[in-house]
Formats: sequence, structure tokens, C-alpha cells
Amino acid sequence: QLQLQESGPGLVKPSETLSLTCTVSGGSITTTNYYWGWVRQPPGKGLEWIGTINYSGRTYYSPSLRSRVTISIDTSRNQFSLKLTSMTAADTAVYYCTREEHSSVDYWGQGTLVTVSS
Amino acid sequence: QSALTQPPSASGSPGQSVSISCTGTSSDIGGYNYVSWYQQHPGKAPKLMIYEVSKRPSGVPDRFSGSRSGNTASLTVSGLQAEDEADYYCSSHAVSNNLAHVVFGGGTKLTVL
Repeated sequence: QLQLQESGPGLVKPSETLSLTCTVSGGSITTTNYYWGWVRQPPGKGLEWIGTINYSGRTYYSPSLRSRVTISIDTSRNQFSLKLTSMTAADTAVYYCTREEHSSVDYWGQGTLVTVSS
Repeated sequence: QSALTQPPSASGSPGQSVSISCTGTSSDIGGYNYVSWYQQHPGKAPKLMIYEVSKRPSGVPDRFSGSRSGNTASLTVSGLQAEDEADYYCSSHAVSNNLAHVVFGGGTKLTVL
């Protein structure tokens, strides 16, 4: 059974860069059909798509976050990562790593809460 | 402001049917066959219920169905059960300024009366 697990800091200071990693187990990240990505959800609010990457490094990003987001992939470790710069309180959210096919997310990590505070 | 518009709430009694709408544009819902619906219970990760407008993943009851007319997609839950009470989100493949991405709706809280 495919499993995705997020890891990274739960607390980030304003203006700093968030770095999260997703470790995939139970399947290979190099499977050609799939994209690997990130979705976030501020407390009490709705879902926001951040972006995706495939095994070859092709990326797609949210237009509203494009200037601050980088998603990368490490096929040797079966991991992919998110970097989000210039963090503010508005970026406080649960961050989910995901597997996507044809713009549909069929696997989700359990989510990790990231709080932006000094 | 979400790119796709959903009603904030919907409700129905056990056994009834309820539909949730999701309105977009020709640059997302109306232009691509990649509309999805997710169910989210409190404190849990979302679960895929419908993909490619009307297809159900393995294990999703056939009480859940999806459709689309023009720029509006709909999720219908038939034979409502208590465990269907949850938040529901739609999403769609979208293209703007020649850049592909995914957009979500703002979510609908479904209450089983």
C-alpha cells in the first residue's frame, strides 16, 4: 500500500523559508503516470493546491504562489520536497504531500501543521 | 477567494439525495474532463470520491456520483447516511496564461439531519 509521510519543522519564523520533505513508501516515485505534489489547508479553511513535480523534474505551480515556491525530487531516496520562501502568518496551514494523476489526488499524506510565528 | 464556487453548506435527511454544485469557467471545469471531488472528515486528510468528472475510485460507494453541465460540476450523494456528514471539495485542471495548474473550490459542509 502506497504511503506518503511529510517531515519538517512545525514552526517557522516570519520572512524565513519553509522546507518540507515527503517520503514515499510502498511504491516508486519514478512511475511515469504520476505527479507528486503539495496541498495546504489553513486552520478552519479550505484546500489550496501548491504545485506538483514528476519523476523527470517537470513542475507545475499555483499562479498565486509561483514566485515563492520550488518543488524538487530525489528519485534515489524516493522523496520530493517543498520550499516556500518569505513565509508570513498567512502561510500557517496543514501541508499535505500528495500523489496526483490527471489533476486528481488519489493519495494523501497525513499532513503536517506549519505555524509561522516569531 | 477560491477559483471554483461551491455553496458553503448543504443538508439532507438520512435516505434522501443531495447535490452539491461547483461552478468555474471554460478555462477549468468547462474546458477539461479533469474534475474531482473529495470528502474530508474533521482532522483527517481528504479522500478522493470522484475523478474525471464522473468516475469512482475502487471502494467508493455507488451512492456517490458526479456530473457536469457546461462550467458547473455536481456531486450527488444518494441514500444519505450519517457517515456522509463531512466537508466536500471540488477541484479541476485549469489553464491560465498558458500555465497549467489545479484549482479547488471553497468547500461545502454537508450536514445529515
